[in-house]
Amino acid sequence: SAVISQKPSRDICQRGTSLTIQCQVDSQVTMMFWYRQQPGQSLTLIATANQGSEATYESGFVIDKFPISRPNLTFSTLTVSNMSPEDSSIYLCSVVAELRDTQYFGPGTRLTVL
Amino acid sequence: KQEVTQIPAALSVPEGENLVLNCSFTDSAIYNLQWFRQDPGKGLTSLLLIQSSQREQTSGRLNASLDKSSGRSTLYIAASQPGDSATYLCAVGGKAAGNKLTFGGGTRVLVKP
Repeated sequence: SAVISQKPSRDICQRGTSLTIQCQVDSQVTMMFWYRQQPGQSLTLIATANQGSEATYESGFVIDKFPISRPNLTFSTLTVSNMSPEDSSIYLCSVVAELRDTQYFGPGTRLTVL
Repeated sequence: KQEVTQIPAALSVPEGENLVLNCSFTDSAIYNLQWFRQDPGKGLTSLLLIQSSQREQTSGRLNASLDKSSGRSTLYIAASQPGDSATYLCAVGGKAAGNKLTFGGGTRVLVKP
């Protein structure tokens, strides 16, 4: 199994600012994903982080709002830009070592926007 | 578009009773189905992964079945304990989606001592 860490674990931010969340995996993985879990809701996929190329975004999510980087096979960042209270959520990264394998999740970053 | 539904949304049982959690999905073209556990304010813990070619998977007190043709999976937890109290999430990895997961809404379980 993969061990995933996220930084920060939680943050409280002001409206209009940006926050970058880091995701580090202890082994090289094929796929990395970013999810959002709004209060009381299930998980929604934001994007697939592609190594060496632009991320692939799901419907309703755009690069200007959620820029993603993946410089190598073990690390990715998600930035939540120009934040509003509606962005208050838990943001989770997940990884899959190989296609069809178990997907593992990081501990999440709990973001509160005032 | 794949849709995943979990019923019931919440469940309360006395300790020792068996738990039955249901998950249904609309598109049977899947790679796999995964069950997760989420404790309040925490990330997700993977419980079981069932590949599309499999009918069931077992781990300790947990057993998950998959009926792809009818679009259903069931998670059984035998002899429930208060420590089993959590939200259980079902997620489907779609072939057309490159293994991206589509999640159900979850079942919140409370096991009373």
